[in-house]
Order: sequence, then structure tokens, then C-alpha cells
Amino acid sequence: KNEVEQSPQNLTAQEGEFITINCSYSVGISALHWLQQHPGGGIVSLFMLSSGKKKHGRLIATINIQEKHSSLHITASHPRDSAVYICAVQTSGSRLTFGEGTQLTVNP
Amino acid sequence: DVKVTQSSRYLVKRTGEKVFLECVQDMDHENMFWYRQDPGLGLRLIYFSYDVKMKEKGDIPEGYSVSREKKERFSLILESASTNQTSMYLCASLDRGLGNYGYTFGSGTRLTVV
Repeated sequence: KNEVEQSPQNLTAQEGEFITINCSYSVGISALHWLQQHPGGGIVSLFMLSSGKKKHGRLIATINIQEKHSSLHITASHPRDSAVYICAVQTSGSRLTFGEGTQLTVNP
Repeated sequence: DVKVTQSSRYLVKRTGEKVFLECVQDMDHENMFWYRQDPGLGLRLIYFSYDVKMKEKGDIPEGYSVSREKKERFSLILESASTNQTSMYLCASLDRGLGNYGYTFGSGTRLTVV
């Protein structure tokens, strides 16, 4: 079993839909990161969370430390949101352990 | 904005060649990382560095070495490239000041070893 599990692996949505991507982890963490990777490879850091909830534009990230679970929500999804979304947990020091990613496709 | 710059987007090298992948960051971050990304395996840590001339092995260091002579530059070296090192390589640096984001990634280098 991976230390970081994401679901779903693939997600297809229509433009405007509300999207949720889930991340569960099995280890103690100091922080959890949500990352976005577009085709071509570059990775952008969306959020770093250690508790509660953060919002940036149409993106919302939440974390429940007791349940070892985090969710990334996208409101009013748009085709430009199509990307791979990666959950990563920060464990000892500054090292990250990554989930395998969720491929999101938003159709117009 | 913090920038992490990787010197090449695409590289093709021959088996047995010594390969240098360069990464430069412009925000005085102490921590820098090299990852490789492969389908079905996700991102895996090769090496990281928490200060000049300091380095630590990650999860898959075999066949790689690193160099950090200056704070802004972290180089990944493939001593003798092999076809199983064909991969996407990503460099990252960490803001210990921990704004909203923490990590900044480079655009990646897609290396093909033939």
C-alpha cells in the first residue's frame, strides 16, 4: 500500500462542474501539498496545508489531520483546469512523498 | 516570483555518456531537490541538498551523483548514462520561510538515453 493514495486516478468533467479530488495518507506529516502539472511537465505548487482550509481563486484545499485525509475542490471548472493534480506529504525534514496523481479533463 | 530554471527541456544522450543536468534558483533557498518522474511510479527523490556542499541520498540515488558548489546551483550528474535513466527530471527548491506554497519546481528536463 502506498503511503499516499489519491482518488480518482482519472476524472472527466463538463465545464462548470464542481470537482473534488481526494488524498489519503498513512504516515505522520508536517504538511501536505497540492501540485498541478500541465502537459509538458512543469509543476506548479497550489497549496501547502498543515491544518484547516485554504482558498485561492476557484481552488479550495482542506485537510483533516485526525482522519489523515485532504481534498482539493475546483469550483466552476474550466477546460484550462485540465491537468494532473498531485498530492504530496512532507514527512521527515523537507522530503516529499507523492501520490500518483489524478488526471483531470474538463470538456467544454 | 521565485524561479527555478533547468538548463534544458529536452536532451538526447548516448549510453555510457556522462550527463549533467543543471538547476538554478534565484531566491537564496537552502534546500534543493532532484526528482525523476516515470509513468505509474510518480515522482521519486534522487538526491537533495540542504546547504552548499551538503547532500543526502534520496530513495533512488544509484547511478547518480550531485554537486552543490554554490547556493543557487544544484547539478545532477549521470556518471554513465543508461537506457533505464530515460525519464523526466524535475528540480525543486524549498522556501523555508514557508509562504503559502513552500516548494518551487523547475519546468523539467526530459532525458532520452539511446
